[in-house]
Amino acid sequence: EAQVTQNPRYLITVTGKKLTVTCSQNMNHEYMSWYRQDPGLGLRQIYYSMNVEVTDKGDVPEGYKVSRKEKRNFPLILESPSPNQTSLYFCASRIIGGASYEQYFGPGTRLTVT
Amino acid sequence: DQQVKQNSPSLSVQEGRISILNCDYTNSMFDYFLWYKKYPAEGPTFLISISSIKDKNEDGRFTVFLNKSAKHLSLHIVPSQPGDSAVYFCAASEDAGGTSYGKLTFGQGTILTVHP
Repeated sequence: EAQVTQNPRYLITVTGKKLTVTCSQNMNHEYMSWYRQDPGLGLRQIYYSMNVEVTDKGDVPEGYKVSRKEKRNFPLILESPSPNQTSLYFCASRIIGGASYEQYFGPGTRLTVT
Repeated sequence: DQQVKQNSPSLSVQEGRISILNCDYTNSMFDYFLWYKKYPAEGPTFLISISSIKDKNEDGRFTVFLNKSAKHLSLHIVPSQPGDSAVYFCAASEDAGGTSYGKLTFGQGTILTVHP
């Protein structure tokens, strides 16, 4: 089954404790992206990647890091989480050069930073 | 600066009637528009899209209309069903010609409730 998976689905942590949210897709998509969803703001892009070892900032990259060492994986790293990073996070992927810009989303990771 | 706006946070409709969800945008460079549906505890799923060279696209019960001069698009669901109850996001992309950047700019979302 074609899918994007994220782990963990739920995470409660404390300020300053480094964490990683994993994302994996099995569709051989070149493009992968991370979004955060906050009430009244919709989904905002954090980082994206066009292919292995190619990443760039989205609209809200502060406080986040990413890496793309393999095509299927795109982890999101919070080196020193803060309460304003409490949010619902989505990973997405899409094929590059296709007829549409449809992105496939993972199920989401709800992060709470206390 | 919200480039894509959904001004109605919620919409309530009776089963069998039409649901109309609206979306406005400000960036004239957007050339592709999508609607996503999101159920609780799930990721957004693609519903329907439209290119800026069209003014209408239809897929079963779902039709998207684009008015470029007004920078406005709408999603019509006819007839509405209780299973359509979800959050609907419109999104826009300013990529032209499939060149690959593919960033989506999302609206705030509209909660649709369809009553039996």
